[in-house]
Amino acid sequence: GNSVTQMEGPVTLSEEAFLTINCTYTATGYPSLFWYVQYPGEGLQLLLKATKADDKGSNKGFEATYRKETTSFHLEKGSVQVSDSAVYFCALSEMDSNYQLIWGAGTKLIIKP
Amino acid sequence: AAGVIQSPRHLIKEKRETATLKCYPIPRHDTVYWYQQGPGQDPQFLISFYEKMQSDKGSIPDRFSAQQFSDYHSELNMSSLELGDSALYFCASSLPGQGIYGYTFGSGTRLTVV
Repeated sequence: GNSVTQMEGPVTLSEEAFLTINCTYTATGYPSLFWYVQYPGEGLQLLLKATKADDKGSNKGFEATYRKETTSFHLEKGSVQVSDSAVYFCALSEMDSNYQLIWGAGTKLIIKP
Repeated sequence: AAGVIQSPRHLIKEKRETATLKCYPIPRHDTVYWYQQGPGQDPQFLISFYEKMQSDKGSIPDRFSAQQFSDYHSELNMSSLELGDSALYFCASSLPGQGIYGYTFGSGTRLTVV
């Protein structure tokens, strides 16, 4: 079945550091890939998405590229801020499963000033 | 812009009581999904509806039921509550056939069973 694996947290970085959160997936078809962010005490927000191979999703300085050959969708940001501290979830959905989101376990990101 | 509205935001119930969570999707969104997120966990899919019909079922306990009404809002009914039901319950909605682009989540209802 479909699954998403992302790096375990917490990930602790200093402000202005470069961020990478790894995400790999297994899927039977051609999924869409997503990164969702959950700030402390808040709901899930769609951060970025990519719907086909080689698409790059980007938002708020974050980027992720849909790599079919490596089945990956790593999240990157060039210079993180304290306000980026949150839990980041990688997820996929497919038409064959009625677009249910399959989630990674989440990676807690802590940015220190 | 209108978002997905969930009510109540917080709910405290005792064991064996019942609870009803409500979800109002974004206007014109006819697909609704319910997820449960335990502390420190990733969200778990419970159930989804498309055009007022149940379209998919996940790990929803038999004690829970849900429906989507003619105005597309949805309600999650939870009976015989257990301590383990304490969690954040999220509702999400999408446009018809637009699930491929992701969906919009509400802020969630935090249910605490004591």
